[in-house]
Amino acid sequence: LAKTTQPISMDSYEGQEVNITCSHNNIATNDYITWYQQFPSQGPRFIIQGYKTKVTNEVASLFIPADRKSSTLSLPRVSLSDTAVYYCLVGDIPSGGRRALTFGSGTRLQVQP
Amino acid sequence: SAVISQKPSRDICQRGTSLTIQCQVDSQVTMMFWYRQQPGQSLTLIATANQGSEATYESGFVIDKFPISRPNLTFSTLTVSNMSPEDSSIYLCSVQDGTNYGYTFGSGTRLTVV
Repeated sequence: LAKTTQPISMDSYEGQEVNITCSHNNIATNDYITWYQQFPSQGPRFIIQGYKTKVTNEVASLFIPADRKSSTLSLPRVSLSDTAVYYCLVGDIPSGGRRALTFGSGTRLQVQP
Repeated sequence: SAVISQKPSRDICQRGTSLTIQCQVDSQVTMMFWYRQQPGQSLTLIATANQGSEATYESGFVIDKFPISRPNLTFSTLTVSNMSPEDSSIYLCSVQDGTNYGYTFGSGTRLTVV
């Protein structure tokens, strides 16, 4: 499994755009990049997944450069409720749910008023 | 997406006792995964539970300490045995959500051992 490196913590203010970058230099050809969000006292929640270029959904955007050695999760106009830990995971999509996820240390995002 | 009901949500236990955590999924799943999250830390996989066979444990976790049952495709239990204060953590179960390749997690069990 590819090792990921992301900042331990980030601070932002309400209404700002937040970009969290994850490094994964040894990403394999079959690997996808997935981000999870974890609020206090809750389990992680799937946010977004991508393979290359850009993916956007109602929650976030994921930017992946051509070499795929890094990725950036972009949260537009954050609010206080976006305060959470964000995990970047890299691995191939397991078929039939037969493989567990491996979590790195995550990025603790604190949004201030 | 799959919905997981995890119980209890929290408990305070005496050292030397055992606690059984339950996870119920609203759909049939092949594998269920159990994680531990120590205070302020990331998630660590304890074991993978496959219906009809013994669970597969990760390095550092043993069946005598964390026995797992998987009686059917929608239910699993994790027991934390002979607890010590070092077992104080959040325990979570997870399954793959087949709709978007993401994984769904239970809300967790916050265990405090005194």
